[in-house]
Amino acid sequence: QSVLTQPPSASGTPGQRVTFSCSGSSSNIGYNTVNWYQHLPGTAPKLLVYSNTQRPSGVPDRFSGSKSGTSASLAISGLQFEDEAEYYCATWDDSLNGPVFGGGTKLTVL
Amino acid sequence: EVQLVESGGGLVQPGRSLRLSCTASGFNFADYAMHWVRQVPGKGLEWVSGLSSDSVTIHYADSVKGRFAISRDNAKNSLYLQMNSLRAEDTAFYYCVKDRGAGLVLPFDYWGQGTLVTVSS
Repeated sequence: QSVLTQPPSASGTPGQRVTFSCSGSSSNIGYNTVNWYQHLPGTAPKLLVYSNTQRPSGVPDRFSGSKSGTSASLAISGLQFEDEAEYYCATWDDSLNGPVFGGGTKLTVL
Repeated sequence: EVQLVESGGGLVQPGRSLRLSCTASGFNFADYAMHWVRQVPGKGLEWVSGLSSDSVTIHYADSVKGRFAISRDNAKNSLYLQMNSLRAEDTAFYYCVKDRGAGLVLPFDYWGQGTLVTVSS
């Protein structure tokens, strides 16, 4: 059971906008910034969003993050087939004194 | 280009030990904290351990505390994970991960491709 809660699956069609939720508590999301990762099977996970809303260089502005209270969200606009992957949220947990991940949301592009 | 290359994975019997290595290139290794993150096949990501750039600050997940030891050699641009008393539930892909800062500040900004550890008799 993951400390952060993510829906196991999501789907969309090319061009659509999809959002992923990530729910935590005051010991993690409530007081720390949230990061999002994209993981395709057999490849190295990739940082998509950090510090709730910031994108590393090279990440398209189709990807955007937000945070409110003890929850965070990742949105992908203009969905593309290449976006089909697993998406994970992560943050620091002050009670566990270490990073924690969500269980991941598998995105299917139909 | 940042590269993190893990090695040392393989098949090991329960109760035995294994040492993972990670060789880094493309950045000043001595300036950044490093971590190990694992993924059981078909499951989610789990942080295992992390240490600061100067090895002063070290943290472990409760699931491996007392059994695993993380270390680094900044002169060799290398990160290590000594895994003792291995259990079946330690079976996973192990990723070497770079932190964005010198302390354990997150995020993880670069990941290796991973090395598979299988614990089975």
